[in-house]
Amino acid sequence: GDSVTQMEGPVTLSEEAFLTINCTYTATGYPSLFWYVQYPGEGLQLLLKATKADDKGSNKGFEATYRKETTSFHLEKGSVQVSDSAVYFCALSDRTYKYIFGTGTRLKVLA
Amino acid sequence: EAGVAQSPRYKIIEKRQSVAFWCNPISGHATLYWYQQILGQGPKLLIQFQNNGVVDDSQLPKDRFSAERLKGVDSTLKIQPAKLEDSAVYLCASSLELAGGFGDEQFFGPGTRLTVL
Repeated sequence: GDSVTQMEGPVTLSEEAFLTINCTYTATGYPSLFWYVQYPGEGLQLLLKATKADDKGSNKGFEATYRKETTSFHLEKGSVQVSDSAVYFCALSDRTYKYIFGTGTRLKVLA
Repeated sequence: EAGVAQSPRYKIIEKRQSVAFWCNPISGHATLYWYQQILGQGPKLLIQFQNNGVVDDSQLPKDRFSAERLKGVDSTLKIQPAKLEDSAVYLCASSLELAGGFGDEQFFGPGTRLTVL
């Protein structure tokens, strides 16, 4: 069945460091891909999405490119801030209308 | 625009007791989802409604879990009887239409944290 694998956390970075959180997926067909973020004490919210190969999703300085050849959707940010500290979830949605989430990666940014 | 509302936010019960959670989706959203999120894991879909009807409940433990969506708006999720392994955060989400393949965004509520002792 479909699945999402993302890198284990926690990831600890200093402010202004470069961030990469790896995400790979297994799916039949062409799923849509998402990154959701969960800030402390809050619900999950959509960070960015891509619906077809080579699409780049971007929001709040974060980017991710849908790479069909490597079945990946890695999240990147050039310069992280303390306020980016959260748990990040990679997810896919396939033609069966289900969402499948990865296990989440906790990011901690130190001032 | 009001977000997805859930209550209660926290619940502590003994095993074998029953518990119910309530969700009010964003107005006009046809699709409603219930997820179970165990500590350290990603959300797992339990059940998905489109208006009044169930679209997918393949991962709902039907011997103890039940859910309904009255008049295509509010929804309740019930566990009876609860087991220790049901300790988790229960998330409700809604979207305008069925998500999948079209990039539809799901909007999540704050969740209900259930502890079963």
